[in-house]
Amino acid sequence: GAVVSQHPSWVICKSGTSVKIECRSLDFQATTMFWYRQFPKQSLMLMATSNEGSKATYEQGVEKDKFLINHASLTLSTLTVTSAHPEDSSFYICSASAGFGGYTFGSGTRLTVV
Amino acid sequence: GIQVEQSPPDLILQEGANSTLRCNFSDSVNNLQWFHQNPWGQLINLFYIPSGTKQNGRLSATTVATERYSLLYISSSQTTDSGVYFCAAREGGSEKLVFGKGTKLTVNP
Repeated sequence: GAVVSQHPSWVICKSGTSVKIECRSLDFQATTMFWYRQFPKQSLMLMATSNEGSKATYEQGVEKDKFLINHASLTLSTLTVTSAHPEDSSFYICSASAGFGGYTFGSGTRLTVV
Repeated sequence: GIQVEQSPPDLILQEGANSTLRCNFSDSVNNLQWFHQNPWGQLINLFYIPSGTKQNGRLSATTVATERYSLLYISSSQTTDSGVYFCAAREGGSEKLVFGKGTKLTVNP
């Protein structure tokens, strides 16, 4: 079945530094990938939609200069949290359309900014 | 945009019990999925079910699109069924999935 690999699983970084999260579709080509953010005990909130070879589309209220998304190929999308601050600490999840009408999700990245 | 509501928000069961989780959506959708998020955060696809009924082992799901709801049935629950169950829907013409707030299921031994 469709598999999406997300790395790293967890990361701790110092305030002011940048962190890059990778999302790869392993056995299918994903023209569109999605990035979500999930706070503890809450639902998933869509941050942005990433299309291969074009600029990402951000949801209202998401700072595009803080959350840089690059979709350089049909199998790789990256999310870079720039100048991270403690309030950016969260669980970030990517997903990709797997072509059967459903969506496959990565295993998530737990970011802690200290 | 569409609204997705789930009930109940929390559910506690004894192992072996059956349960029904509900998902209501506000408008016609062309994609309805159920997910299980395990304690480590991984989202597992359970069903892609825009309409009709599907079964997979102890789990089954039914979506009645004309009445704008979907049900997830869990029979003979096990402790490994614990976690949060989300339903998510996609509006027609959009690729974006809208998630409900989830049902947190706890199955006690």
